[in-house]
Amino acid sequence: EVQLVESGGGLVQPGGSLRLSCAASGFTFSNYWMSWVRQAPGKGLEWVANIKGDGSERYYVASVRGRFTISRDNAKNSVHLQMNTLRAEDTAVYFCVRAIGIQESLWGQGTLVTVSS
Amino acid sequence: QSVLTQPPSTSGTPGQRVTISCSGSSSNIGNNPVNWYQHLPGKPPQLLIYSNYQRPSGVPDRFSGSKSGTSASLAISGLQSEDEADYYCAAWDDRLNAYVFGPGTEVAVL
Repeated sequence: EVQLVESGGGLVQPGGSLRLSCAASGFTFSNYWMSWVRQAPGKGLEWVANIKGDGSERYYVASVRGRFTISRDNAKNSVHLQMNTLRAEDTAVYFCVRAIGIQESLWGQGTLVTVSS
Repeated sequence: QSVLTQPPSTSGTPGQRVTISCSGSSSNIGNNPVNWYQHLPGKPPQLLIYSNYQRPSGVPDRFSGSKSGTSASLAISGLQSEDEADYYCAAWDDRLNAYVFGPGTEVAVL
């Protein structure tokens, strides 16, 4: 079955770290750009980062640059988002997305990250 | 503050046609394909339109997209109650090197 399953969300204190993972199945993972998109409570969608199929290119939204790192392991069909120095405004549901914006686009169900003391 | 502009809400009665506008600039809509997403509460967003006007398989032809210059629009014809959702436009921005979403438009079916 073609799917993306996120994990790693939870409650973390401000200034803390969290690592999100996304397990892909049912398709040739290395062929696709992968992205993370988030939605804060009561807010709209915000693209966070993406990474090319071979890992050679990565881009970030300005608000997370220097704090978050996107990576992938094509041998394990997984993409990760290492989140450091977390802030209250990083509280959101984080979605893993395959090939955002093209016909082959696929979204996971999301994982909730709550940054609070 | 999003670099793409959308109206916060719109509404229509069943069977009506509604349109949602999305305004950007030369670094995003003016130079890159526009995508549209439908987002229902508790579900992941669904791609409705890609490359300005293309529909993924399974998306009803009631949904149509268009683009002109630095603006785009989504039209929903034959509005149905299940179309009540938030709709987002999005595009890559060459200046920001980022994929940007509009703020979203809430569609209500009266």
